[in-house]
Order: sequence, then C-alpha cells, then structure tokens
Amino acid sequence: AQSVTQLGSHVSVSEGALVLLRCNYSSSVPPYLFWYVQYPNQGLQLLLKYTSAATLVKGINGFEAEFKKSETSFHLTKPSAHMSDAAEYFCAVSDWDTGRRALTFGSGTRLQVQP
Amino acid sequence: DGGITQSPKYLFRKEGQNVTLSCEQNLNHDAMYWYRQDPGQGLRLIYYSQIVNDFQKGDIAEGYSVSREKKESFPLTVTSAQKNPTAFYLCASSSTGGDGYTFGSGTRLTVV
Repeated sequence: AQSVTQLGSHVSVSEGALVLLRCNYSSSVPPYLFWYVQYPNQGLQLLLKYTSAATLVKGINGFEAEFKKSETSFHLTKPSAHMSDAAEYFCAVSDWDTGRRALTFGSGTRLQVQP
Repeated sequence: DGGITQSPKYLFRKEGQNVTLSCEQNLNHDAMYWYRQDPGQGLRLIYYSQIVNDFQKGDIAEGYSVSREKKESFPLTVTSAQKNPTAFYLCASSSTGGDGYTFGSGTRLTVV
C-alpha cells in the first residue's frame, strides 16, 4: 500500500524566509503527487500536482515542488514566506494506475509565519 | 461554476443516533470519495466510488455506510456503531485518470 511521510508536523519561519516542507512517498512506480493547503474549517485547495511531465512543478501563490525519483521525494518550497501562507499543508499520492484510485495523504505540516 | 457542495457545514447529534452527511457534485466526475480528518492524523479514506451503484471500503469504513444511486450524489451515513464519530468530514471527486481531485468545504460533526 502507498504511504506518504511528511517530516515535521509544525514548521515555523519568519516572514520573507524560505519555506521548505518535506514529503516522501513509497511507490514502486512514479505516482501522481499533490500538495494541498487547508485553512481552518475549510476544504483542501490544490497548490500543485506532478503527473509525470516536468519534474519541477510550479503552483499557485509562488509555491513549487520538485519530483526526485531517486529520493522518492516531492518537497514543497517557496522563496519568501508571507503571513497569508500560515496554514496546514498536505502531501498526497494517487496510485491510479495500480488500482486504488484514491488519494493517500501524509499527516500534514502546520506552517507558522512569524512577523 | 462547477464544484462540490457538502451540507450541512456544522452538525450536532446525540450519541447513538445515525446521521447522514450530504455530498453533491456538478463536475460530471465519475469517482467520489469520503475522508475523515482528525487533528494530527491527516485525512483517512472512509469509502470511495468509481462508478454509480458501486463503492469500495477505504481504510476506516467500520461504522459508516454510503450509497451511490446517482452520479452527482454520494451521501455518507455515520451510524451508531462508529465509536468516535466527532471529526471533520471531507468529500471529494475526481476525473477519469486520477490527475485531478476536487474537495468540498467539509462538514464538522460533533456528537454530544
């Protein structure tokens, strides 16, 4: 079964600093990979997705992620944090081609942005 | 605009009662999903349906039931057998191919 590991349940950065949220997945074949953001009491908003095209994926709000097959990683970055980036972030994998056609999520990383 | 509507946003029920959460989509997606979210545990899959009149158990199906009589609708019933039903419930749908998932805004269920 697929699994997703997000290292660090809480990450705190200063406004303007680099944001790095880590995600590793387990899969024998390159899956589809996603990053979502969630604000309190709301649903999930898609930030970006990897679907086997370019390995560097650009998303909304200045976020990007790089798919590294050799490291089974899909870390999320943003060069300069903004106060509005404070939220919870989820990495997810879809093993659509292997049969279970549902997203498997990591446990989430709560990002705090200090002024 | 196309999207997923979950209702109600907040739901309170007494212990031992069944309750049904609504999920409707107008995206013409074949697949629909229910997730449960608890603090610090991410989202866990309850049930999913790839096509009308068919659905599969996810990782935490015990105490829940679903139906898929229409393409647009995938209601979730939380039964009295669910030992700890207080949680945030999210519904999602996806297009064929698995590269696009859309989420509803969630229902927060509190059992008192």
